[in-house]
Amino acid sequence: EIVLTQSPDFQSVTPKEKVTITCRASQSIGSSLHWYQQKPDQSPKLLIKYASQSFSGVPSRFSGSGSGTDFTLTINSLEAEDAATYYCHQSSSLPQTFGQGTRLEIK
Amino acid sequence: EVQLVESGGGLVKPGGSLRLSCAASGFTFSSYSMNWVRQAPGKGLEWVSSISSSSSYIYYADSVKGRFTISRDNAKNSLYLQMNSLRAEDTAVYYCARCRKEGGGSCYSDYWGQGTLVTVSS
Repeated sequence: EIVLTQSPDFQSVTPKEKVTITCRASQSIGSSLHWYQQKPDQSPKLLIKYASQSFSGVPSRFSGSGSGTDFTLTINSLEAEDAATYYCHQSSSLPQTFGQGTRLEIK
Repeated sequence: EVQLVESGGGLVKPGGSLRLSCAASGFTFSSYSMNWVRQAPGKGLEWVSSISSSSSYIYYADSVKGRFTISRDNAKNSLYLQMNSLRAEDTAVYYCARCRKEGGGSCYSDYWGQGTLVTVSS
């Protein structure tokens, strides 16, 4: 099983700040890495597919990068509505796995 | 508009059974693989099972293998999860999600339902 480790687990940030969340895979997964945002009491929403491709309708402040084992989700100029938990997800091999999540709090 | 609506959750005793349904609309259901993903209260996301568009390929997480059965009815645009021998650790919100693949790449979940809560408790 491929383990995805996100860092940090929690981050408290101010609006307009730039945020970087990392996701490290226990073995190479190419670009089969996707990012989701989940707000309280809502279902997850896709942000980034295949490591760096933005999903339709996602604000341009969200971007992804990386390949192999190291990946990054960047949020430029954070907005209050970005308060949420963010998950990475690998679909390179079964079982599909998710990172443990990174909770962003807006100060 | 893509819509996925889960139903069938509820309170069940350990060892009991439950059947979840996911009604799909707004897209050609028979063309897509589908996933079930769960989330225990206050915890992260856990992949449960996947089924290909024609049901030819079915996969399960080890934690549910032998107890859960995924199926679909393309004529009814519906996805199912039959859950038997339920345990307390199966307590979670269960989401159905559409699986999208591009250019021969692997699957990502582009649309998710709102989830249905399954509580296993005596």
